[in-house]
Amino acid sequence: DTAVSQTPKYLVTQMGNDKSIKCEQNLGHDTMYWYKQDSKKFLKIMFSYNNKELIINETVPNRFSPKSPDKAHLNLHINSLELGDSAVYFCASSRTPSGGAWETQYFGPGTRLLVL
Amino acid sequence: RKEVEQDPGPFNVPEGATVAFNCTYSNSASQSFFWYRQDCRKEPKLLMSVYSSGNEDGRFTAQLNRASQYISLLIRDSKLSDSATYLCVVSSLTGNQFYFGTGTSLTVIP
Repeated sequence: DTAVSQTPKYLVTQMGNDKSIKCEQNLGHDTMYWYKQDSKKFLKIMFSYNNKELIINETVPNRFSPKSPDKAHLNLHINSLELGDSAVYFCASSRTPSGGAWETQYFGPGTRLLVL
Repeated sequence: RKEVEQDPGPFNVPEGATVAFNCTYSNSASQSFFWYRQDCRKEPKLLMSVYSSGNEDGRFTAQLNRASQYISLLIRDSKLSDSATYLCVVSSLTGNQFYFGTGTSLTVIP
């Protein structure tokens, strides 16, 4: 049973298109995250939701819009895709928002987005 | 200044060698510390948490130095399968998030 799953695994699309990535976790965690990992491999937080409420919104273009229909799901919609959006997007979850009592994060397998 | 800094490497070591990675963090209020491992084209996975007193898991030893604000990971008797990127992760209640280092690349050579 996959703990954190993402779809699609690969996404190849043209500039200007709108696309969505879905994430689901079956761990019963309250907190979910979206990270972007660029070609230099740096893992950068984009958004975090705790129990469906947005708690972290880093400096991300407003073309990126997260949505959490329930605490087990966190989707990412991207409008007007640009070349620089090409990266691997990881979803993650944790029991609580941050590392109290050694809470750790569990990552999904990643979505490899390529914008042409 | 970055929240978490690591030497990106790469570290290329022969099988059986001992290798150590260090990581420094800037927020003295940081409370939880971890090492994650990321294999090529895979997601990061927890390797081990880092406790104040230091902790060991088989060939892996993690240490925390709060006074100097750094954590370390020691790998003894390196195996080919240890080749990966090792990510230092720090979190604090005030920051309300996990901060990742850029990772240190390790290649173990036969």
